[in-house]
Amino acid sequence: SQTIHQWPATLVQPVGSPLSLECTVEGTSNPNLYWYRQAAGRGLQLLFYSVGIGQISSEVPQNLSASRPQDRQFILSSKKLLLSDSGFYLCARKSGTDYGYTFGSGTRLTVV
Amino acid sequence: RKEVEQDPGPFNVPEGATVAFNCTYSNSASQSFFWYRQDCRKEPKLLMSVYSSGNEDGRFTAQLNRASQYISLLIRDSKLSDSATYLCVVLGGGKIIFGKGTRLHILP
Repeated sequence: SQTIHQWPATLVQPVGSPLSLECTVEGTSNPNLYWYRQAAGRGLQLLFYSVGIGQISSEVPQNLSASRPQDRQFILSSKKLLLSDSGFYLCARKSGTDYGYTFGSGTRLTVV
Repeated sequence: RKEVEQDPGPFNVPEGATVAFNCTYSNSASQSFFWYRQDCRKEPKLLMSVYSSGNEDGRFTAQLNRASQYISLLIRDSKLSDSATYLCVVLGGGKIIFGKGTRLHILP
């Protein structure tokens, strides 16, 4: 199984509040994991990727951070949300060269 | 030139018709190519990989043209359920790039 669990499905948070989105995966160990954001009317933007526990690479400088405390757990966080952080956040894992990427069901975040 | 470009559409196509759309990429060293489908407010899901020789999966045909640096997706006998956004994905040089997608509306 290459199942990816994300929660919550939807979230409404006030500006300046903290954020924690969790992603857990099943299947093969030591997966490459990714956080993407899809803003309204825009394409998928890679935010962070991780090739192992404690290893995080940031693609875009911003007020978000990511952590990988366990092999199958990937967390996206913010200390203070901005309006521009609104979007659809997707966790993904690499499924193999010929199989592309598998996405979790996503969290739709609205910052108000 | 953008790394991956797609016509955003929407393509409004009557049910039963054939529709095709392309995706161009700028990195000639790109190695792997995919088409994803994304339904409204849902996550993208892999539709099919794109192989150099072209490949077919039922009503869907994907092709790669390395010389002109584009991939294409052809949908035959379109169904209402084909309405979605189709994302082009290109892997190469350790990077994965998603297109912004082409919206397809199949009309009854």
